[in-house]
Amino acid sequence: EAQVTQNPRYLITVTGKKLTVTCSQNMNHEYMSWYRQDPGLGLRQIYYSMNVEVTDKGDVPEGYKVSRKEKRNFPLILESPSPNQTSLYFCASSLSLLGGVSTEAFFGQGTRLTVV
Amino acid sequence: QKEVEQDPGPLSVPEGAIVSLNCTYSNSAFQYFMWYRQYSRKGPELLMYTYSSGNKEDGRFTAQVDKSSKYISLFIRDSQPSDSATYLCAPNYGGATNKLIFGTGTLLAVQP
Repeated sequence: EAQVTQNPRYLITVTGKKLTVTCSQNMNHEYMSWYRQDPGLGLRQIYYSMNVEVTDKGDVPEGYKVSRKEKRNFPLILESPSPNQTSLYFCASSLSLLGGVSTEAFFGQGTRLTVV
Repeated sequence: QKEVEQDPGPLSVPEGAIVSLNCTYSNSAFQYFMWYRQYSRKGPELLMYTYSSGNKEDGRFTAQVDKSSKYISLFIRDSQPSDSATYLCAPNYGGATNKLIFGTGTLLAVQP
């Protein structure tokens, strides 16, 4: 079954304690990205990766890091979480857009993070 | 000004009603116009998309784009309780980037 898997689904942590949210896809997609979803603000892109070792900032990258060492995995790292990073996080993957043809983005189930 | 504006709702309709969900956008560079559906506690999933202006129909769903007025619509005919979800419009530049700009989503509740 084609899927994007995020872990953990729920996480409560304290300010400043480093954490990693994992994301893995089994569709051999080149493009992966992280979004956060907040009430009234919708989904906003944090970081994206167009392929292995190629990452770039999205619209709200401050306080986050990513890495793409393997095609299937794209972890999101919060080095020093703060309460304003409390949010619902989604990882997504899709085929690359060579030729300009848009393709479907597949989303994970989400990670609800609370930073106290 | 936000790139994509969407009425957050909630929108409550009786079963069988025709539902109209709308977005406006500001960037004329958008070429693909996607609609995602998000059930509670789930990730968004692609419902349908159109390229440039025009209509596209898929079963009970019709997506409509008017690029001249920068207006995107999704119509649901014969709405069902299972259609209750948040609907997100997501324009896409196409080309070398796969970036989606999401609207805030409209929460739809279809009452049995």
